[in-house]
Amino acid sequence: QQPVQSPQAVILREGEDAVINCSSSKALYSVHWYRQKHGEAPVFLMILLKGGEQKGHEKISASFNEKKQQSSLYLTASQLSYSGTYFCGTGGWIIQGAQKLVFGQGTRLTINP
Amino acid sequence: GAGVSQTPSNKVTEKGKYVELRCDPISGHTALYWYRQSLGQGPEFLIYFQGTGAADDSGLPNDRFFAVRPEGSVSTLKIQRTERGDSAVYLCAIRRGRDRKYGYTFGSGTRLTVV
Repeated sequence: QQPVQSPQAVILREGEDAVINCSSSKALYSVHWYRQKHGEAPVFLMILLKGGEQKGHEKISASFNEKKQQSSLYLTASQLSYSGTYFCGTGGWIIQGAQKLVFGQGTRLTINP
Repeated sequence: GAGVSQTPSNKVTEKGKYVELRCDPISGHTALYWYRQSLGQGPEFLIYFQGTGAADDSGLPNDRFFAVRPEGSVSTLKIQRTERGDSAVYLCAIRRGRDRKYGYTFGSGTRLTVV
């Protein structure tokens, strides 16, 4: 089952904040976040594992809410370089080894000067 | 991306033809994945390899699609009797480590256009 991302698109001015949500109808064990710029490959941002943790990466952080089966990506004081399409990918319960992901449809983020 | 090379970067083929798409990862990654991304959509899982064997091919759309990884390194995705609906970007990915805390490193993809 594909996770649902919201919003589908958002336009911000440089320095503003954004939140992108990823909701699943199935139990979540891991959530990956990726950013993809036009014509390029998706780039890994961070991964969150079952346990409700929150992670940070400079001004980009994310949370994982098991109860709500949802993850949120937070971008604070956005920079022009943050523009792109953000994808969440949800994974099953596998400790080690390979793990396939089911990706959401993406959220297009546009940052204007 | 760095660590995964895909060739060709673009492929235009006629409907009904056979195509091969190549993925060449840096050495040492036993898990290799193929995804397909249609315009405006997220990547869609096709198949993954653990070493030389296909550990999960549940995402292959039909028997026209086949993938191999004979020596546990380079992988080839093969599509027979191509159809216009096969047009998409085909992405190959590896994981940085075996533990599930690691994310994917994607290649730049092969853009397949079936005319």
